[in-house]
Amino acid sequence: ETGVTQTPRHLVMGMTNKKSLKCEQHLGHNAMYWYKQSAKKPLELMFVYSLEERVENNSVPSRFSPECPNSSHLFLHLHTLQPEDSALYLCASSLFDGADTEAFFGQGTRLTVV
Amino acid sequence: AQRVTQPEKLLSVFKGAPVELKCNYSYSGSPELFWYVQYSRQRLQLLLRHISRESIKGFTADLNKGETSFHLKKPFAQEEDSAMYYCALSGIYNQGGKLIFGQGTELSVKP
Repeated sequence: ETGVTQTPRHLVMGMTNKKSLKCEQHLGHNAMYWYKQSAKKPLELMFVYSLEERVENNSVPSRFSPECPNSSHLFLHLHTLQPEDSALYLCASSLFDGADTEAFFGQGTRLTVV
Repeated sequence: AQRVTQPEKLLSVFKGAPVELKCNYSYSGSPELFWYVQYSRQRLQLLLRHISRESIKGFTADLNKGETSFHLKKPFAQEEDSAMYYCALSGIYNQGGKLIFGQGTELSVKP
């Protein structure tokens, strides 16, 4: 599949569970991003990976742990989350520092923490 | 503080009427401004960016640095324009994936 693909689309987890969100892109991009969209709040940038190195962490709690094993894949590992972490998590990719750095988004994972 | 403000949560117009979705920003440098759109059941996608100065689907947006605004306009709204619209800025030139978003405006175009 072309574009940015996120799995799963929906996830319900307990506060003691460990789960992972997956993002995959086949656009030849070298930067990937995690965004969080909570109810009544704007999209917030969580993490930025450029060339598989984390270049930005926007004060995200350590219960969110990103991993970027290669330029096509990005994970968000989740453990001991809180109910307020329930949100839509969006992955995006782009070229980093190029002439055309349009961000392409996945369809998101709707996370519910119970 | 870096911030993007979209004052209207919902904008409802009739088909054929002009549309203006407001966006104001706060940023100390020279940001790059974008409009993203999300149609029903589709992913967020780029509509236009100020540096390209293009008209996409009849929409235009002009960056007004004096008023720190980047309002989105269309002279004649169509029903298919109904969607969520997000204004966003990137504070670093050519790093268009690092974005600060507004809260979004839902545009509803009625027949």
